[in-house]
Amino acid sequence: QSVLTQPPSASGTPGQRVTISCTGSSSNIASNYVYWYQQVPGTAPRLLILRNDERLSGVPDRFSGSKSGTSASLAISGLRSEDEAIYYCATRDDNLSDLVVFGGGTKLTVL
Amino acid sequence: VKLVESGGGQVKPGESLRLSCAASGFTFSTYDMSWVRQAPGKGLEWVSSISSGSHYIYYAGSVRGRFTISRDNANNVLHLQMNSLRADDTAVYYCARAGGDYPDFRSWGQGALVTVSS
Repeated sequence: QSVLTQPPSASGTPGQRVTISCTGSSSNIASNYVYWYQQVPGTAPRLLILRNDERLSGVPDRFSGSKSGTSASLAISGLRSEDEAIYYCATRDDNLSDLVVFGGGTKLTVL
Repeated sequence: VKLVESGGGQVKPGESLRLSCAASGFTFSTYDMSWVRQAPGKGLEWVSSISSGSHYIYYAGSVRGRFTISRDNANNVLHLQMNSLRADDTAVYYCARAGGDYPDFRSWGQGALVTVSS
C-alpha cells in the first residue's frame, strides 16, 4: 500500500480536461515538492512536472500541476489519445526511512 | 543522455546479482544517481540513491542490508549489488539520473529485468 494515494483509474474523451489527485500527509506532500511522472506501459517513466507545478522542458502546456496542503493534482487539458498512460506522483517523506515515495499510479484511459 | 542497464536475469531465492548502468552523454561524476524498480504489473518503487561523490547513500527499507549501491566515476558506471534476493525483488530495475532535489529523476534507462524464482 502506497504512502501516497492516487485513484487507480481515470478517463476522458479527446479534448476534455482530466484531473488526477495524489493525497499524502504532513510528512510528505505538505512539506516537500511533488513530482509527476508519465509511463506508457512497456517504457520507462518520463518526468512531466517538477517542484509541484513546473513543467519540464518539452512537456506540452496542456499538463499542469498544483499542490495544496497534503494533496497535489495533475491536470491534463485538451486530452489526446497519446496521453493514455499511467501517471505517478512522487515526493520525499520526512518520517519514513525511505527517501522517496511514489503514489500507486493512475491509469488514464482516453475513450 | 543515455543510460543502459545490464546484468539482469533469473536467479533463485537467496542468490546474488549485480546490475550495472552505463552512462553517457553527460558529466556522470557531477550527478546523483538512483535505482527505481517496478514489479510486474505494479507501480514504481524507489530503491536506492547515491550522491555524485558517493558521500551520501540512501536505501529503501525493503532492501537495506541486502543491496549495495556504488558508482565508478572514472568509467561512468552505476552499480547495484543485490544479495539475499527474494521473490518480491522480482522487478524491472531502472537507473535514473537526478536533476536536482529528490525525486527529480530527469533521465531513465530502459530497465533490466530481475526474476527471482525457484
